[in-house]
Amino acid sequence: DAGVIQSPRHEVTEMGQEVTLRCKPISGHDYLFWYRQTMMRGLELLIYFNNNVPIDDSGMPEDRFSAKMPNASFSTLKIQPSEPRDSAVYFCASSTGTGSLQPQHFGDGTRLSIL
Amino acid sequence: DAKTTQPNSMESNEEEPVHLPCNHSTISGTDYIHWYRQLPSQGPEYVIHGLTSNVNNRMASLAIAEDRKSSTLILHRATLRDAAVYYCILTSWGAQKLVFGQGTRLTINP
Repeated sequence: DAGVIQSPRHEVTEMGQEVTLRCKPISGHDYLFWYRQTMMRGLELLIYFNNNVPIDDSGMPEDRFSAKMPNASFSTLKIQPSEPRDSAVYFCASSTGTGSLQPQHFGDGTRLSIL
Repeated sequence: DAKTTQPNSMESNEEEPVHLPCNHSTISGTDYIHWYRQLPSQGPEYVIHGLTSNVNNRMASLAIAEDRKSSTLILHRATLRDAAVYYCILTSWGAQKLVFGQGTRLTINP
């Protein structure tokens, strides 16, 4: 079975450029989560969707970050303009239900470097 | 969310059992205990979860104290592939968020 697929795996770009990270959740999963991992702050939840609708974006750091889920099989996380402090590994995860019972399945992440 | 406390690091030998502790003294009655692990250069991976009773699956066992203020993840026979950061996380019923702490970095010696 295909797991959560993220692209690109690595992204290096210059400060000020727009960055778009992509995620394909596991088919049939109705929850999608975006996380960010840094050495300083660990793993942080940025935003999550249920049935393509954003439910909680309280973890999104600032207006430069936006996330969309146009359909059940695709989501994007966009940073515009990017800054060096946005350098991190970004993970996408999906699940079938509540966090209390259903495991979240994570992709392998996108390692983002902003120069 | 209730807080969990884990040792920063642990070390064990291959083919020996490993007991990873987690303290959660402020756990509430509706909080589930989840364990995830993160292998190097990979995303986190679900290991096991429970509420009150001990749980077993193909990866590990979860032993929950009677007062639920602590739990232990048990790897029965560690392999080199089990070297990872292990996260103990509490989630209340209906909550969607996984709040990751710093976890325990497990090293397995050959």
